[in-house]
Amino acid sequence: DAKTTQPTSMDCAEGRAANLPCNHSTISGNEYVYWYRQIHSQGPQYIIHGLKNNETNEMASLIITEDRKSSTLILPHATLRDTAVYYCIVRVSNRDDKIIFGKGTRLHILP
Amino acid sequence: DVKVTQSSRYLVKRTGEKVFLECVQDMDHENMFWYRQDPGLGLRLIYFSYDVKMKEKGDIPEGYSVSREKKERFSLILESASTNQTSMYLCASSYTGAGNTIYFGEGSWLTVV
Repeated sequence: DAKTTQPTSMDCAEGRAANLPCNHSTISGNEYVYWYRQIHSQGPQYIIHGLKNNETNEMASLIITEDRKSSTLILPHATLRDTAVYYCIVRVSNRDDKIIFGKGTRLHILP
Repeated sequence: DVKVTQSSRYLVKRTGEKVFLECVQDMDHENMFWYRQDPGLGLRLIYFSYDVKMKEKGDIPEGYSVSREKKERFSLILESASTNQTSMYLCASSYTGAGNTIYFGEGSWLTVV
């Protein structure tokens, strides 16, 4: 089973910030949080990842709570091209780590 | 740029056929993965491999096998294809270690008739 839970779907108005939550209450100290997105009929695309600190790159920001039990992916100015399924996963640092994806959040950007 | 290449984008096979889905990565990654994706079910892990000739079962290995004879290549085998294996199959690869990004191929759409 996936170690993360996400809302099934969300809507966001174009030009506004999209805030996608993820719960990972059983995360352990050596597990990273990763976010991917998948546009219809394509392979998932990496967005961002982090361990403890908040992270930002050209695509998004990742806010991880102090207890690391949840995180939020922020797309600062959502566009129609951000319509996709967003997956939050945790990854442990073992040689044989089994990377499990959940069902993700389907984000609809509304014009 | 990292490339994960899946040999076939679209395939149509008959029930009972043996099917090979091939995946090649060009970054010397230790870990390789096969997932299938079905509407409403997200990505489900079939098998993964953390080294040549090593394989581990994922959540849904039944009806599948895998082969990793070379580091860059990970093959998914359907010994006797069935209609319930109609799906999109995704290959991925990464270096070992939680701080390393997982890279995906573009997917292979398999229809079993």
